[in-house]
Amino acid sequence: DAGITQSPRHKVTETGTPVTLRCHQTENHRYMYWYRQDPGHGLRLIHYSYGVKDTDKGEVSDGYSVSRSKTEDFLLTLESATSSQTSVYFCAISESRLDLNSYNEQFFGPGTRLTVL
Amino acid sequence: QQPVQSPQAVILREGEDAVINCSSSKALYSVHWYRQKHGEAPVFLMILLKGGEQKGHEKISASFNEKKQQSSLYLTASQLSYSGTYFCGTSPVSNSGYALNFGKGTSLLVTP
Repeated sequence: DAGITQSPRHKVTETGTPVTLRCHQTENHRYMYWYRQDPGHGLRLIHYSYGVKDTDKGEVSDGYSVSRSKTEDFLLTLESATSSQTSVYFCAISESRLDLNSYNEQFFGPGTRLTVL
Repeated sequence: QQPVQSPQAVILREGEDAVINCSSSKALYSVHWYRQKHGEAPVFLMILLKGGEQKGHEKISASFNEKKQQSSLYLTASQLSYSGTYFCGTSPVSNSGYALNFGKGTSLLVTP
């Protein structure tokens, strides 16, 4: 199994408070992703990173920010949590390959269940 | 653009076969398949690339129709362990690491 951990695994917070979720990898993979998973919506990309300090937005990035100061850590911050951000958050990683015909399978962390009251 | 999966749910008896479909309105370079069991993280099953290359699970096969931008996952002689939700993820470009667009998932239940 790929070495990916997420912390915390469970969190309950109140509306309006800031929240930071951490994803840590030991695989030295270049790419890291944050998804949220909600019933009926599947996995939706929030933000992703293609290197240290290099990040880009996904389809549901409003209300979220990310930072990556080290290869192994990718932080997701909810600047002011809302009830609509109650969800399960998954971090994923994938390798960087130089050839075009590349297999960029993603490996997922165990997830963080966040409840915003 | 989120790919569309069908069916949304399927129930099988052990040993039966199933097909899960994934279609996109955009040109695709690759299609990924993942399986997620309840309360767990998604797990990689298979990747299919434009041009016919594929990499994946020994007991699961899939196809990729580049002209129709469709992929199908074939689960043959299903086992109880096949139960879970199956997601396809698509990418329009060949760049390694490009973010995937995932479908909403297909729930599969295999009964004894």
